[in-house]
Amino acid sequence: EAQVTQNPRYLITVTGKKLTVTCSQNMNHEYMSWYRQDPGLGLRQIYYSMNVEVTDKGDVPEGYKVSRKEKRNFPLILESPSPNQTSLYFCASSLLWDTHSYEQYFGPGTRLTVT
Amino acid sequence: SQELEQSPQSLIVQEGKNLTINCTSSKTLYGLYWYKQKYGEGLIFLMMLQKGGEEKSHEKITAKLDEKKQQSSLHITASQPSHAGIYLCGADVGGGTSYGKLTFGQGTILTVHP
Repeated sequence: EAQVTQNPRYLITVTGKKLTVTCSQNMNHEYMSWYRQDPGLGLRQIYYSMNVEVTDKGDVPEGYKVSRKEKRNFPLILESPSPNQTSLYFCASSLLWDTHSYEQYFGPGTRLTVT
Repeated sequence: SQELEQSPQSLIVQEGKNLTINCTSSKTLYGLYWYKQKYGEGLIFLMMLQKGGEEKSHEKITAKLDEKKQQSSLHITASQPSHAGIYLCGADVGGGTSYGKLTFGQGTILTVHP
């Protein structure tokens, strides 16, 4: 089944403790992206990647890192999480970055709470 | 102000009723997506509209894109409780230079009473 998977689905952690949220897709998509969803603010893009070893900042990259060493994986790294990073995180992928032509598929989400 | 405004913000209907959700952009639309989200869960892709005047249907859900009005509408015919959820529109409003980034509306919460 074609899908985007994220792990963990739920995570409660403490301020400053490094964590990684994994994202994997099995559709051989070149484009991958991370969003966060917050009440009243909608979904905002954190980072994106147009291909292996090619990543760039989205609208809200502060406090996050990403890497794209393999086509299928795009982990989101929080080196020193803070309470304002408490949010619902979504990974997305599409065949190519061109939103005119290629639909984006979203993962099931990771609910992160930082205390 | 939001680049993509959805209306209404919430909607409560009786099962069997028709309903429409609108998504209006303050900028030119390039690729308009409709997603459905169960509260706190992932986004389910419904439809993508690429050209002005385009209309697509999937089961009882129809979406149209009016490029001149910079607006899309999502219409559900004979609503069912399974249609309940949050409907989100997303679009590239960057003129094709935003490299895959979708800007989303704030969502419309749909409740369908049996």
